[in-house]
Amino acid sequence: DAGVTQSPTHLIKTRGQHVTLRCSPISGHKSVSWYQQVLGQGPQFIFQYYEKEERGRGNFPDRFSARQFPNYSSELNVNALLLGDSALYLCASSLDIREFSPLHFGNGTRLTVT
Amino acid sequence: QKEVEQNSGPLSVPEGAIASLNCTYSDRVSQSFFWYRQYSGKSPELIMSIYSNGDKEDGRFTAQLNKASQYVSLLIRDSQPSDSATYLCAVASGSARQLTFGSGTQLTVLP
Repeated sequence: DAGVTQSPTHLIKTRGQHVTLRCSPISGHKSVSWYQQVLGQGPQFIFQYYEKEERGRGNFPDRFSARQFPNYSSELNVNALLLGDSALYLCASSLDIREFSPLHFGNGTRLTVT
Repeated sequence: QKEVEQNSGPLSVPEGAIASLNCTYSDRVSQSFFWYRQYSGKSPELIMSIYSNGDKEDGRFTAQLNKASQYVSLLIRDSQPSDSATYLCAVASGSARQLTFGSGTQLTVLP
């Protein structure tokens, strides 16, 4: 069975540009979450989507946005990139949004902003 | 602000020994607790989940939860060099439905 898939795996952008990251959840999983992991730190929550609706948002600026499609895949968009946006962006899926539903992470997209 | 604290390490243990990883959390209403393993350059991998006070065992791994003390731990018995990784403690709370992660403990198992 395919796990969570993310694309692209690596990305290099310059300051001020925008970026779109994509995620396909595990088959049957209806919830997708996005996390940012800066080197040496644990992942930090950005968004959670369930049934195409935003169900949670972390402490990130409005430059960050996301959406979920009818097939439960998701996109994370970041506008006006800053050097500090350089990180590993992780997508995770879960069956639903019950608190006990474990998250399964994809391999991530490593974004470098120069 | 919900916080999850872990000893950053690095923690080194000899092969075959027991590795003990600890985590404390600040939000008393937290209900779900997870341990993830992350190899360098890879994504986090779920290895244990625990929801009730006490111990939960899965192979060489044992998770321990004490909600009164707001403490969760992970024991790795018969540690192997392949266990060398960063271990992330994660906590889910109430209506938030998102995970709050600690900064991770780097474990090295010496052959």
